[in-house]
Amino acid sequence: EIVLTQSPGTLSLSPGERATLSCRASQTVSSNYLAWYQQKPGQPPRLLLSGASSRATGIPDRFSGSGSGTDFTLTITRLEPGDSAVYYCQQYGNSPHIFGQGTRLEIK
Amino acid sequence: QVQLVQSGGEVKKPGASVKVSCKASGYTFNHHGITWVRQAPGQGLEWMGWVSAYNGDTRYAQKFQDRVTMTTETSTSTAYMELRSLRSDDTAIYYCARVFGWLIPSGGMDVWGQGTTVTVSS
Repeated sequence: EIVLTQSPGTLSLSPGERATLSCRASQTVSSNYLAWYQQKPGQPPRLLLSGASSRATGIPDRFSGSGSGTDFTLTITRLEPGDSAVYYCQQYGNSPHIFGQGTRLEIK
Repeated sequence: QVQLVQSGGEVKKPGASVKVSCKASGYTFNHHGITWVRQAPGQGLEWMGWVSAYNGDTRYAQKFQDRVTMTTETSTSTAYMELRSLRSDDTAIYYCARVFGWLIPSGGMDVWGQGTTVTVSS
């Protein structure tokens, strides 16, 4: 099964800065079926991107995704305090649809 | 609006079973699948499996293959997840989520239930 490794584990940035989150797969993700989620404490996850780069409904264009094959990136520009959360990548190209372990983003 | 509403929290003893429901509204139920994800206290997300609301096909994570059953009831637009032989490490929040694709899961999970807390304790 595919293993997803996210880095860094924790990211601490200031409002207005840019965050770059990485998700690396142990094997090629079929059809670039890679999604990103944001989870805030006490809430279910929220879909940000699917197909590696397609924003979900209502997601601002400050959130963008790139990559293919085994290396994927979530970029968040113009950070806001509300972006503090844990971010997960997930591949859904092959069963099981594994999640990465998450990156915690802290806004100073 | 499109939403998934899950059943209430459960407390179970080791060895028991739990069945969590997930009622959909606001969309055509059998045009999508339902995925179940769990999250142990302070931990990350764990994919448990997927069920097609179109034909009932399932895909389970190997870890749960022998203990889980996921079903759907189209007449009530409800999905169910039953987990048997519960252990203390099954204590978690269990989420259902809508997935694009009625024959195979082919998208991200765009609508989530509120979560159901299952506590396993003697």
